Amino acid sequence: DIQLTQSPSSLSASVGDRVTFTCRASQNIDNSLNWYQKKPGRAPKLLIYGASTLQGGVPSRFSGGRSGTDFTLTITSLQPEDFATYYCQQSFSTLFTFGPGTKVEVK
Amino acid sequence: EVQLLESGGGLLQPGGSLRLSCVASGFTFSNYAMSWVRQAPGKGLEWVSTIANTGAYRYYADSVRGRFTISRDNSKNTLYLQMNSPRADDTAVYYCVKGYCINGVCYSHPDAFDIWGQGTMVTVSS
Repeated sequence: DIQLTQSPSSLSASVGDRVTFTCRASQNIDNSLNWYQKKPGRAPKLLIYGASTLQGGVPSRFSGGRSGTDFTLTITSLQPEDFATYYCQQSFSTLFTFGPGTKVEVK
Repeated sequence: EVQLLESGGGLLQPGGSLRLSCVASGFTFSNYAMSWVRQAPGKGLEWVSTIANTGAYRYYADSVRGRFTISRDNSKNTLYLQMNSPRADDTAVYYCVKGYCINGVCYSHPDAFDIWGQGTMVTVSS
């Protein structure tokens, strides 16, 4: 099975900060990596698919990147509504898997 | 408006059975693979199962294979998850999810999960 690890598990930041977190796949998954935002009591929201393509309606302050089996999600200027948990997910294999998540908290 | 509405959650005892349902609207249900994803209390997201648009292919997480069955009725725009022999660690919010494919319609292997229902809570406890 393909394993995904995310780092850090949590981070504290302020409004306006630039934040970047990482998702590492246990093997090559090409660009088959997606990012979701999850807030308590709300359904997850697809932010980025194919490693770097922004889903429609998602603000341009979100961006995704890839270097080999390492993937990044960057928020260029953190907004109050961005405090949430972010999950990566691979679709390379039909045994779809999610990473453990990175929680973005208020500093 | 694209919408997914889950139902059927509740309290069940270990070893019992339960069927979750998800009614879809706002898109051509029969053109898309559908999935179930869950989140246990205080835990992360866990993919559970995916079914192709015709039902011809079904994929399961190791944790539920042999106990859960995913199915669909395209005439009713409805997705199901039959949960048999549930365990305490199956306690979670279960989300119905629409598959998204970069090239358009999404028959069997979604590239991502783009539309999520609000979830239905399942509690397994004696």
